[in-house]
Amino acid sequence: SYVLTQPPSVSVAPGQTARITCGGNNIGSKSVHWYQQKPGQAPVLVVYDDSDRPSGIPERFSGSNSGNTATLTISRVEAGDEADYYCQVWDSSSDRVVFGGGTKLTVL
Amino acid sequence: QVQLQESGPGLVKPSQTLSLTCTVSGGSISSGSYYWSWIRQPAGKGLEWIGRIYTSGSTNYNPSLKSRVTISVDTSKNQFSLKLSSVTAADTAVYYCARDVQKKGSSSWYYWFDPWGQGTLVTVSS
Repeated sequence: SYVLTQPPSVSVAPGQTARITCGGNNIGSKSVHWYQQKPGQAPVLVVYDDSDRPSGIPERFSGSNSGNTATLTISRVEAGDEADYYCQVWDSSSDRVVFGGGTKLTVL
Repeated sequence: QVQLQESGPGLVKPSQTLSLTCTVSGGSISSGSYYWSWIRQPAGKGLEWIGRIYTSGSTNYNPSLKSRVTISVDTSKNQFSLKLSSVTAADTAVYYCARDVQKKGSSSWYYWFDPWGQGTLVTVSS
């Protein structure tokens, strides 16, 4: 079955750039989506289809996908960005959704 | 703006069946080309997709749960439901419902979740 691998944690100082990776076999051939989840809240879509942003999501959030790695980039990180982030794909070979294990972003 | 709300018992005994309903408001569950999914999250752990249903009744389930899961839809009530049988403590989690948004890619369909319900905690305990 298809597996997505994320680093458990990423730390960044305010105002800097955070990059959260999502690894998978030939993930560049898939469409990757990213969710932000703050404590006690439901996940919120922040990037879909590799690099598109839903309305209301700041331009500071961007995504890319190539080869075996997809990346969520958060520019000019703010304290309010501290959350868990999950990547997700649809595995068409098994007709199922796959989530990455999640990355906890800490703003120092 | 579509909103989703989960409802159902917060406590289920081991070996019994967990039953949850997701009510869709702000739009018809039958409008547009959407699947409707259930996702769960044990405390302190990651997200696990349970399965989904199209308004035609077509379903897809996570192979790891398929033998115990049934998802159904009631378009007249604008609701879809989850039944998970033979539950154990390992099924204790926050359960979310969500709308699958789809897009046709070059070689397959792509799906992502937006919006999500607020989630409901289900505890399996005697």
